[in-house]
Amino acid sequence: GIQVEQSPPDLILQEGANSTLRCNFSDSVNNLQWFHQNPWGQLINLFYIPSGTKQNGRLSATTVATERYSLLYISSSQTTDSGVYFCAVSYNNNDMRFGAGTRLTVKP
Amino acid sequence: SQTIHQWPATLVQPVGSPLSLECTVEGTSNPNLYWYRQAAGRGLQLLFYSVGIGQISSEVPQNLSASRPQDRQFILSSKKLLLSDSGFYLCAWGHGGGGEQYFGPGTRLTVT
Repeated sequence: GIQVEQSPPDLILQEGANSTLRCNFSDSVNNLQWFHQNPWGQLINLFYIPSGTKQNGRLSATTVATERYSLLYISSSQTTDSGVYFCAVSYNNNDMRFGAGTRLTVKP
Repeated sequence: SQTIHQWPATLVQPVGSPLSLECTVEGTSNPNLYWYRQAAGRGLQLLFYSVGIGQISSEVPQNLSASRPQDRQFILSSKKLLLSDSGFYLCAWGHGGGGEQYFGPGTRLTVT
């Protein structure tokens, strides 16, 4: 199956700093999603981005499908951005594979 | 708008006891439904998916089973729980052929 690697595994930032999270995947995909898991465990959809670039407020994401990676950018980080960020990919939407996640801690 | 519900939110069960977790979706029809498990501090693992009533596909051999008795209802069961069944169970829905998956709030299961 498709392998998904996320980096870095842990990231600690001061409030207001910017960050880039990376997701590498081993094969062609038709579906790529970024999620934020909050402290209560809820997975929040951030981006559906099998290719191209999208922006939503302070967050943006870019997927370069031909090179098999995706990047999630967080600008002007806030303490509420803390949590675990997951990248998930699939080829046919019924075999979604998750990375191990990046645990982000934003300090005030 | 679509909503996905899971219950119970938390559950503590002894080893060897049965399990039934329920997931229901509102606001959409004929969704694909998914059960995932998340071990502590790790990513999610797909357990089962269903593309229609009575149609279940299993991703990994395990002590669990799934059923879909109605279009928007997905149930995860076990006849006898093992310690290794502890974890955070999430239900998700989506539409086949691509597109986003949306997750429920999850059930935190502790087997003692």
